[in-house]
Amino acid sequence: KQEVTQIPAALSVPEGENLVLNCSFTDSAIYNLQWFRQDPGKGLTSLLLIQSSQREQTSGRLNASLDKSSGRSTLYIAASQPGDSATYLCAVFPQGGSEKLVFGKGTKLTVNP
Amino acid sequence: DTAVSQTPKYLVTQMGNDKSIKCEQNLGHDTMYWYKQDSKKFLKIMFSYNNKELIINETVPNRFSPKSPDKAHLNLHINSLELGDSAVYFCASSQEEVGYTFGSGTRLTVV
Repeated sequence: KQEVTQIPAALSVPEGENLVLNCSFTDSAIYNLQWFRQDPGKGLTSLLLIQSSQREQTSGRLNASLDKSSGRSTLYIAASQPGDSATYLCAVFPQGGSEKLVFGKGTKLTVNP
Repeated sequence: DTAVSQTPKYLVTQMGNDKSIKCEQNLGHDTMYWYKQDSKKFLKIMFSYNNKELIINETVPNRFSPKSPDKAHLNLHINSLELGDSAVYFCASSQEEVGYTFGSGTRLTVV
């Protein structure tokens, strides 16, 4: 059974700092991995999607890497801003026809001005 | 133009009532889902439909009944609501090469 773990559960940094959020998954048989952000009381916004054949994806100040063999992904946020404060969720789409995204519990990020 | 839209956004109702949440996606995705986010913010799948066909039915009370009239719609009907049903319910759609897109959620409060 696929399980996704995110460390740390919460992170507080000063504005301008570069930071890394970690995600690990127990079964390397995945189609893809997706990072989302969720603002309080809001829905999920997709940030980056990494296919299983890819090593990384970049969007603006965000860079996500994937090491499928070791079951790890990282989300790197450069030059953090207060507007980056949110909960970041990692999710994997397992192979094998289960057709469901398996989520981690998220990392709550606070960027202090 | 909202990609995945669900209504209502908020729903407050009494125990024992029956209610429905509607979801529509205009992305042309083949698969749609209902997820539940509990008070601890953990997201867990409830149902998945692919081209109107039920493919995932997790351990969910049979008071919850999804219905997919067509590929673009997946509604969730809940009978005999209980206090423990209070949560945020998210609809989503997906296509393998583009990943998931989520709706903005329906906050259900049972009193």
